[in-house]
Amino acid sequence: DAKTTQPTSMDCAEGRAANLPCNHSTISGNEYVYWYRQIHSQGPQYIIHGLKNNETNEMASLIITEDRKSSTLILPHATLRDTAVYYCIVSDNFNKFYFGSGTKLNVKP
Amino acid sequence: EPEVTQTPSHQVTQMGQEVILRCVPISNHLYFYWYRQILGQKVEFLVSFYNNEISEKSEIFDDQFSVERPDGSNFTLKIRSTKLEDSAMYFCASLPLRTQRTEAFFGQGTRLTVV
Repeated sequence: DAKTTQPTSMDCAEGRAANLPCNHSTISGNEYVYWYRQIHSQGPQYIIHGLKNNETNEMASLIITEDRKSSTLILPHATLRDTAVYYCIVSDNFNKFYFGSGTKLNVKP
Repeated sequence: EPEVTQTPSHQVTQMGQEVILRCVPISNHLYFYWYRQILGQKVEFLVSFYNNEISEKSEIFDDQFSVERPDGSNFTLKIRSTKLEDSAMYFCASLPLRTQRTEAFFGQGTRLTVV
């Protein structure tokens, strides 16, 4: 089962930063934190992942707390096209990802 | 950008019929997966495949399901005798290496409707 807890939904104003939290208090030492998103019923899209250091790519930043029990995905300047369900997943391999219910992010004009 | 291609995008079939869902993974990828998502529900893992055999499967993946890589490019999911509850989006994914340092690429899915 999913080992993460995320808020069901969040709103964000267009152009503002969207900060999506995730709790993973039972994460083990070799498990990475992955973020994917799903726009409508399209295939999940990879965003970012990390182990313990903060990560940044062209899409987003990932902030992982020092104890690794929680993380935050940051979309620095949300656009309407970022409206999607965002999934936080912890895994030590990709043989089977457990997708939870995710956070429905609504970006509003 | 490379992408995973799935066909058809939508398939309607009668209950009891066999269906084959097709996927073309990214060409240099080695690990292949099927997931499904029943409308309004979570994305669920079905099966993983590597080196021409199943690596792992979920309890959903019963004897009605099978996977195959018939040639160097296609990866298929067969449902032998479809049931109404098989109606879902089916997503194929591929991965070049099964390590934490790589991202999985998902296809856009096949919507299967069993009537």
